[in-house]
Amino acid sequence: EPEVTQTPSHQVTQMGQEVILRCVPISNHLYFYWYRQILGQKVEFLVSFYNNEISEKSEIFDDQFSVERPDGSNFTLKIRSTKLEDSAMYFCASTRDRGRTDTQYFGPGTRLTVL
Amino acid sequence: GDSVTQMEGPVTLSEEAFLTINCTYTATGYPSLFWYVQYPGEGLQLLLKATKADDKGSNKGFEATYRKETTSFHLEKGSVQVSDSAVYFCALSDPRAQKLVFGQGTRLTINP
Repeated sequence: EPEVTQTPSHQVTQMGQEVILRCVPISNHLYFYWYRQILGQKVEFLVSFYNNEISEKSEIFDDQFSVERPDGSNFTLKIRSTKLEDSAMYFCASTRDRGRTDTQYFGPGTRLTVL
Repeated sequence: GDSVTQMEGPVTLSEEAFLTINCTYTATGYPSLFWYVQYPGEGLQLLLKATKADDKGSNKGFEATYRKETTSFHLEKGSVQVSDSAVYFCALSDPRAQKLVFGQGTRLTINP
């Protein structure tokens, strides 16, 4: 069964460093998402992406964040200068269509720890 | 804005007990409703969904009914197993927005 994959599973970085989190969505999906979950808190939407551009972003997704689909398979989230409060589990998701009934399929997540 | 509220966890039950995890929502549009499950060390997996009022989603013995009048989508299972131990997330998908809105998650532990 096709699945969303994410690498690395755990990333440790120093405050102020740049990190890139990688995702490989399901191959025939067209819409891509990033969510994050700070420990003990809700899963929060960050950004959605379609046709090589951002469709929607939350207030969390400020200028320190960017997303890219550098080739036909990868979807990346870059944090330019990490802060302590960026420590969280980051989930990638994808869906074939964008209707309200469509299911988003999630990857296993990348745990980001900022020291 | 839209929001989802789940019952506080953690929830601990014995095997074969009846499970209910409450979920209520607030939405300005007509959302679809989802339950996702996260097993230890894994990602979020869709457990079930319902897309319109009075629909019942079901999977692996779990059920939830979309109740528009009470804005609820409670998760139930008649007889839980140790393998059901996981974190359960209720979520909605707003028809206008391109995102899921999640509840805070409920950690369920089933003891043999």
